[in-house]
Amino acid sequence: DQQVKQNSPSLSVQEGRISILNCDYTNSMFDYFLWYKKYPAEGPTFLISISSIKDKNEDGRFTVFLNKSAKHLSLHIVPSQPGDSAVYFCAASLNTGGFKTIFGAGTRLFVKA
Amino acid sequence: EAGVVQSPRYKIIEKKQPVAFWCNPISGHNTLYWYRQNLGQGPELLIRYENEEAVDDSQLPKDRFSAERLKGVDSTLKIQPAELGDSAVYLCASSLGWVNSPLHFGNGTRLTVT
Repeated sequence: DQQVKQNSPSLSVQEGRISILNCDYTNSMFDYFLWYKKYPAEGPTFLISISSIKDKNEDGRFTVFLNKSAKHLSLHIVPSQPGDSAVYFCAASLNTGGFKTIFGAGTRLFVKA
Repeated sequence: EAGVVQSPRYKIIEKKQPVAFWCNPISGHNTLYWYRQNLGQGPELLIRYENEEAVDDSQLPKDRFSAERLKGVDSTLKIQPAELGDSAVYLCASSLGWVNSPLHFGNGTRLTVT
């Protein structure tokens, strides 16, 4: 039972263009969403988050959009840079009875120079 | 600040052998997590500690897996005996413990069971 789904295993984008990574979730009780970035042989690192009471959060080149009615969120990277090439994990947090963070399977982003 | 430290980085063992992983969280982080990441998948929670107490171990296979966090700082995750299906990356993470505080991960231990 995958509660957080990233349906695109990989994405290739030209440097300077926009990267859009998508994530769907099934549990309407999730109240916080996060994106993590992972380079090879390293652990995931926190990138950006959004509360369920918002629909957009921006941090520099990174913007996360949340559509609660569709149970969908997306991460936009503008402009994309070769150093953004990594695996991006979408995660959702449930703050009842002690919070749980559930991860999607990840999307591998390739940014071509 | 120093990050989450894990050791060893890699471990290769034969099935039925025991194995242990060690984690030192970020200083001041009272919440510690062990995750397992299988190839092509996202991290899956095994156990979560608040200080010394395991507050969520519902996903820990207790017949062969055990964990401890003595004194509420370092933690050890053990598998005994290991099975072929245990091959994965074992990630330790810590956080400040307040609601929605992000996880800080170590670089993980890649376990190969042959």
